[in-house]
Amino acid sequence: EPEVTQTPSHQVTQMGQEVILRCVPISNHLYFYWYRQILGQKVEFLVSFYNNEISEKSEIFDDQFSVERPDGSNFTLKIRSTKLEDSAMYFCASSPDRPRSGNTIYFGEGSWLTVV
Amino acid sequence: QKEVEQDPGPLSVPEGAIVSLNCTYSNSAFQYFMWYRQYSRKGPELLMYTYSSGNKEDGRFTAQVDKSSKYISLFIRDSQPSDSATYLCAMGVYNTDKLIFGTGTRLQVFP
Repeated sequence: EPEVTQTPSHQVTQMGQEVILRCVPISNHLYFYWYRQILGQKVEFLVSFYNNEISEKSEIFDDQFSVERPDGSNFTLKIRSTKLEDSAMYFCASSPDRPRSGNTIYFGEGSWLTVV
Repeated sequence: QKEVEQDPGPLSVPEGAIVSLNCTYSNSAFQYFMWYRQYSRKGPELLMYTYSSGNKEDGRFTAQVDKSSKYISLFIRDSQPSDSATYLCAMGVYNTDKLIFGTGTRLQVFP
């Protein structure tokens, strides 16, 4: 069964450092997403991406964050200058089309980011 | 009032029991509803997707939506220890891409 893969599974970084989280979405999917889950809290939407541009973003997704699809397969989330409160599990997800069309969103296993 | 409310549990049941998991929501604009299962430190795995009031069944799982009451449920029949996980409800509106998640209910099924 096709799946969304994420690397690294766990990263520890110092406050103020840049972090790049990588994802390989399911190959025939067109929509890509990043969500995050702070320990003990709910899963929160960060950003959606379609046709090489941001489709929608949340208030959390400020200027510290950026996303990119540098080639035909990878989808990355960059955090420019990490803060302690960025510590969370970051989930990449993809869907064949917009979720509103009845298409389901498939999540990766997550990248656990710890900022110290 | 939170947009989506879900009892965090834990809910502990014996193997074979029928489990009822619920979410309430305040935003009447929500139009589609999903249930995800999340094992510890793993990504959410989609179980059910519905967009209309009523019931939808898939194997041991039944999703129920009552838009008039702003209430959704997931029923698990013949629960198994392997069903032990956190169950997340999620919902969305057709003119946005984002899903709004509940906090999740932790379920433990003991043999």
